[in-house]
Amino acid sequence: DIQLTQSPSFLSASVGDRVTITCRASQGVRSFLSWYQQKPGKVPNLLIYSASTLQSGVPSRFSGSGSETEFTLTISSLQPEDFATYYCQQLSTYPYTFGQGTKLEIK
Amino acid sequence: QMQLVQSGPEVKKPGTSVTVSCKASGFSMRDSAVQWVRQARGQRLEWIGWIVVYSGNANYAQKFEDRVTITRDMSRGIIYMELRSLRSEDTAVYYCAADPMVGSRIYASWGQGTLVTVSS
Repeated sequence: DIQLTQSPSFLSASVGDRVTITCRASQGVRSFLSWYQQKPGKVPNLLIYSASTLQSGVPSRFSGSGSETEFTLTISSLQPEDFATYYCQQLSTYPYTFGQGTKLEIK
Repeated sequence: QMQLVQSGPEVKKPGTSVTVSCKASGFSMRDSAVQWVRQARGQRLEWIGWIVVYSGNANYAQKFEDRVTITRDMSRGIIYMELRSLRSEDTAVYYCAADPMVGSRIYASWGQGTLVTVSS
């Protein structure tokens, strides 16, 4: 199985900060990587697919980049509603594994 | 509006089976792929498997391969996930998510989740 390792696992930041979350794959996944946001008790929400394509309706402060084994999710200016847990998922090779999550908390 | 509606919460005893359903509305499931994902309390998302709706071909994570079956009823637009030989570690929220065009790998539509509790 392809392992996805997100860093950091926990991130404390302030409103207005620029934050970057990294997802590293144990082997290449081309650009078949998605990012989700999940708030407590809620369903995961797709933010980015194909590594860098912004899902319709997602604010432009979210962006994604990378290919093969290293990917990043960047939030350019944190808003109060962005404090949540973020997961990456690779959709290149079965099983379609997830990262362990990055919990973004208010400083 | 694409929507997936899942069946309600279940409480099961160890060793039994559970079937969770996932019904599409607002779009045709025929051209889609549907993945099943679960999440135990406080844990990461875990991929169980997926099905290509028009062909019925399914693929499962090795961890679940001998205990899970994903099927579909195309006439009713419903996808089913059956998990057998339940154990306490299977207690989790189970989600379905649809890729409306097989191969696009865009899982934007998710069901509301179904809590499965396994307890004696």
